[in-house]
Amino acid sequence: DSGVTQTPKHLITATGQRVTLRCSPRSGDLSVYWYQQSLDQGLQFLIQYYNGEERAKGNILERFSAQQFPDLHSELNLSSLELGDSALYFCASSVGRGGGPTYNEQFFGPGTRLTVL
Amino acid sequence: AQTVTQSQPEMSVQEAETVTLSCTYDTSESDYYLFWYKQPPSRQMILVIRQEAYKQQNATENRFSVNFQKAAKSFSLKISDSQLGDAAMYFCAYRGGGTSYGKLTFGQGTILTVHP
Repeated sequence: DSGVTQTPKHLITATGQRVTLRCSPRSGDLSVYWYQQSLDQGLQFLIQYYNGEERAKGNILERFSAQQFPDLHSELNLSSLELGDSALYFCASSVGRGGGPTYNEQFFGPGTRLTVL
Repeated sequence: AQTVTQSQPEMSVQEAETVTLSCTYDTSESDYYLFWYKQPPSRQMILVIRQEAYKQQNATENRFSVNFQKAAKSFSLKISDSQLGDAAMYFCAYRGGGTSYGKLTFGQGTILTVHP
C-alpha cells in the first residue's frame, strides 16, 4: 500500500458524459501527478499540481482538467468522453515540487479504470 | 523532448535463471534520473530500482541490478535468480533534473513471463 488512494476503482460510462476521478496523496505530500495508461498511448504524464497550483502540463486534452484543493486532494475531470478515453488513470504523489537535483520518489495510487461505452 | 525506448515487447525466463531487460533513452540533459517500475497483474506501479545519472556506480537492489551506460544512453535491468513473483510488465522511466518538474517519461513496457 503506497498510501495514495484513488476513487473510484472502476468507472463505466457512456460517450459524451463527464466524470471526476479523485486522488488523496500520502500524508505530507504536496505534489500530485496524473498519468494515463492506455493501449494506444502507453503510460503518459498528464498534469502536475504542487500545493494547490498547476506546475506542469503534459499531453492533457482540452476536454480534461484538474485541480488540487486546500486539503491537497486532487480531482481529474474528464468531459465529452470518447471511446479512446478508456484507460487506467493513475495518481502519484511526492513530498517535493518535483524536478531539479533533489530526488523525491513518486508513490503511485492503485489507479481508476475508466471504461467508455 | 526526452524519449524512452524499450525494444523488447516480451521476454521470458526460467525460474532461478537470469534475464536482462533493455532500455534506451534520448535526452540533452546532463542531470537526470532513471527508473525501472514493475506493474504486476494488479496494475499497481511498484518502483524496482533507481539510478542517478551523476553516479557512475550501477544501482543494485537485492536480485535487481542495472547496467547504466551514460554515453550510450542505455539503461538495462538484470534480474537474477528469477522468481514466479517477478512476472509482470516492466517499465523503464526517465525524470529530468532540470525544469521537467518531476514528470516521468515511460517506455512502452516489457512483459516478463517466468516459467516454473
